[in-house]
Amino acid sequence: GQQVMQIPQYQHVQEGEDFTTYCNSSTTLSNIQWYKQRPGGHPVFLIQLVKSGEVKKQKRLTFQFGEAKKNSSLHITATQTTDVGTYFCAGLNAGGTSYGKLTFGQGTILTVHP
Amino acid sequence: EAQVTQNPRYLITVTGKKLTVTCSQNMNHEYMSWYRQDPGLGLRQIYYSMNVEVTDKGDVPEGYKVSRKEKRNFPLILESPSPNQTSLYFCASSSRRQGARATNEKLFFGSGTQLSVL
Repeated sequence: GQQVMQIPQYQHVQEGEDFTTYCNSSTTLSNIQWYKQRPGGHPVFLIQLVKSGEVKKQKRLTFQFGEAKKNSSLHITATQTTDVGTYFCAGLNAGGTSYGKLTFGQGTILTVHP
Repeated sequence: EAQVTQNPRYLITVTGKKLTVTCSQNMNHEYMSWYRQDPGLGLRQIYYSMNVEVTDKGDVPEGYKVSRKEKRNFPLILESPSPNQTSLYFCASSSRRQGARATNEKLFFGSGTQLSVL
């Protein structure tokens, strides 16, 4: 079945440093979603990427979708303590009987040291 | 306010004692789903429902049951809980983009239920 691998599992940074998490799928994706979960909270939708090679920005966050639609990344520039949390990617399967099935990556836990 | 409501927030129980975690959404969403979150394993799907009276197994359905009698409610039932079902559970819902290549829009999550089975 479809697998979505996310790395790294943990990332510790000093405030002001950049951060990137990567997501790789074993199958071609229809689109990919990113979620953020604050400590003790629930996942909250950040963005959805649909097109091959798409790049979207939200303030200090940059999201990319690979040309082959099998990988994605989230980059945060100049991290702040408010960026602390777990970041999940979630891929929507592109074909076959699993079309539209959403599979989550394992998540990257980001810690920001002031 | 648009929301997904889960109850209870915390639950401690003993092995074998049947329990139900409720989930309700007020956004008229067709799609609802249950996930469990365990350290290092991310969010794993237990069951999902495309619409009323339509449910299907996710990746880890063993030991769980669900029902979808009404559009707004999607309870998760553990008939005989075991310690390996100790986990953080999330209910989520989304609208569906219809058509031949129907797919889900973004998920709205409930606040979670922390379950401990002793």
